[in-house]
Amino acid sequence: DGGITQSPKYLFRKEGQNVTLSCEQNLNHDAMYWYRQDPGQGLRLIYYSQIVNDFQKGDIAEGYSVSREKKESFPLTVTSAQKNPTAFYLCASSTGGRAEAFFGQGTRLTVV
Amino acid sequence: AQRVTQPEKLLSVFKGAPVELKCNYSYSGSPELFWYVQYSRQRLQLLLRHISRESIKGFTADLNKGETSFHLKKPFAQEEDSAMYYCALRGVGTYKYIFGTGTRLKVLA
Repeated sequence: DGGITQSPKYLFRKEGQNVTLSCEQNLNHDAMYWYRQDPGQGLRLIYYSQIVNDFQKGDIAEGYSVSREKKESFPLTVTSAQKNPTAFYLCASSTGGRAEAFFGQGTRLTVV
Repeated sequence: AQRVTQPEKLLSVFKGAPVELKCNYSYSGSPELFWYVQYSRQRLQLLLRHISRESIKGFTADLNKGETSFHLKKPFAQEEDSAMYYCALRGVGTYKYIFGTGTRLKVLA
């Protein structure tokens, strides 16, 4: 079953703790993305990666970190420096050319 | 600046009425435009893209480079069209997708 898998679906953390969100794809896509979705603000790009071992900051990268050690995986760490981490996080992937992005089911992170 | 603007947060129409979701963009190069849809409890998925010039679920969208718009239209709305709709842009030759803030469409019985 091909696609993008985000885990977990729901995540709760205490304030001040780092937390890592998982994103795995078996579509053989080169590019992967992390977006944050907040009501009224749409999807805002956090980080994206075009190839393994390379990634670029998006519009709201502060307080987040990523790695791309494997083509299939693009984990996102929400650090304690992120001032407002409670949100819905979406991972996506795409091939090059003119293809669209495919999205995971999302992870809802709640920091208490 | 690269930007996608969806001016309406919420659009309510009656079943059978025409619907138009507006999307304007700002991009200095050649853009590729997409419409994504998110139904309740489902993942975000592609609805259509301008290069395909196709109609999906009765929806169409035409890229107007003069007005920098990519409005989504459907002549007769159905209740199952109720969802969140996002317009997105990607520059030709780039990997970065820019999304608008979304429009929630409610089709009333």
